[in-house]
Amino acid sequence: ETGVTQTPRHLVMGMTNKKSLKCEQHLGHNAMYWYKQSAKKPLELMFVYSLEERVENNSVPSRFSPECPNSSHLFLHLHTLQPEDSALYLCASSQEIALAGARSADTQYFGPGTRLTVL
Amino acid sequence: QKEVEQNSGPLSVPEGAIASLNCTYSDRVSQSFFWYRQYSGKSPELIMSIYSNGDKEDGRFTAQLNKASQYVSLLIRDSQPSDSATYLCAVKISLSYGGSQGNLIFGKGTKLSVKP
Repeated sequence: ETGVTQTPRHLVMGMTNKKSLKCEQHLGHNAMYWYKQSAKKPLELMFVYSLEERVENNSVPSRFSPECPNSSHLFLHLHTLQPEDSALYLCASSQEIALAGARSADTQYFGPGTRLTVL
Repeated sequence: QKEVEQNSGPLSVPEGAIASLNCTYSDRVSQSFFWYRQYSGKSPELIMSIYSNGDKEDGRFTAQLNKASQYVSLLIRDSQPSDSATYLCAVKISLSYGGSQGNLIFGKGTKLSVKP
């Protein structure tokens, strides 16, 4: 166990459904991440919440909406998804340090992931 | 476009042999490099991190970094069937003052198969 938990572990949803993925970290970290992992592709960073600031990947469709109510919890809200959104969604956390205008993130620790299937 | 390249494999080695996994990256000023292991259906777990040129050893694992050649490798000595997994190389992109920072770029991974 890495100290990062995700629920649910498996999710099947229709294209008209709305669902949310949840991530919780127990490591005292101050940065959390959402990644998408599709077959035959590298891990793709979707969103970062770091030092209470959200950093987005502009290529992520608006049908994915993140929420980070505090440094320990991260959500990914899903609505009107497409079948090509079926993938493993991974949450990660790290400890980030801000020094003189620059930032340095330590090792990222991953949760077990949510296997999402969109019908 | 910052990229991390790995051979997808599969790399097949006999039990007890040395497995050598390679990774190249395009961001010349990257400072931090990571190797993750991912079993099928599971999430990535950190194996090694390396920040300086040269070798870093941890048990049966040795990470090697050559910043001049923009090359990082992972050696697994005395390979075991339980080492069979996909190995992901990750590079932390260069820091920029006031801008986006510290994010990891992952390679597609190399699938390793250790035959008994």
